[in-house]
Amino acid sequence: DIQMTQSPSSLAASLGDRVTITCQGSQDTGNYLSWYQQKPGKAPKLLIYGATELEPGVPSRFSGSGYVTNFTLIISSLQPEDIATYFCLQYALLPVTFGQGTRVHFK
Amino acid sequence: QVQLVQSGAEVKKPGASVKVSCEASGYKFAANYIHWIRQTPGRGLEWMGCIYPHNGATEYSRNFQGRVTMTADRSISTVYMEVTRLTSDDTGVYYCARDPRGLNYFDSWGHGTLVTVSS
Repeated sequence: DIQMTQSPSSLAASLGDRVTITCQGSQDTGNYLSWYQQKPGKAPKLLIYGATELEPGVPSRFSGSGYVTNFTLIISSLQPEDIATYFCLQYALLPVTFGQGTRVHFK
Repeated sequence: QVQLVQSGAEVKKPGASVKVSCEASGYKFAANYIHWIRQTPGRGLEWMGCIYPHNGATEYSRNFQGRVTMTADRSISTVYMEVTRLTSDDTGVYYCARDPRGLNYFDSWGHGTLVTVSS
């Protein structure tokens, strides 16, 4: 199975900060990488698919980059509603596999 | 809009089975794969498998092979996921999720069903 390693596991930032989360795969996943946001007690929400494509309705402060094994999610200016846990998902090969999550919180 | 509504929380004893439903609306039900993902404190988010309601074809994670069965009832736009031989390690939240393009990522999720396995 492809292992997805996310970092950091937890991140403290201030309002308006640029936030960067990385995900590294144990094998080449091309651009078959998506990012999800999860708030407590809620289901994950799709933010990015195809490594770089913004899901309709998702604010443009979210962006994704990367290819092959190294991927990045950026929040350009952290807002209060962005406080959540973020997961990457590789879907190049079954079983699809998730990163372990990055909890973003305010300093 | 796409909506996936799951059945309510369950409490089961070890060795029992649980069957969770996921009713879809807002799109052509048979056209999209539905996946099941569970979230547990110990293992995080885990993909369990998927079903194509159009023809009932399924694909299961080998981690659940032999213990999980997914079925679909097109007449009521509902997918079911049953897990047998439950242990305490199966305690967690079970989600159904829609695959928008047959590529195995998920654009819409159910609200989740908490399954608690306890003696």
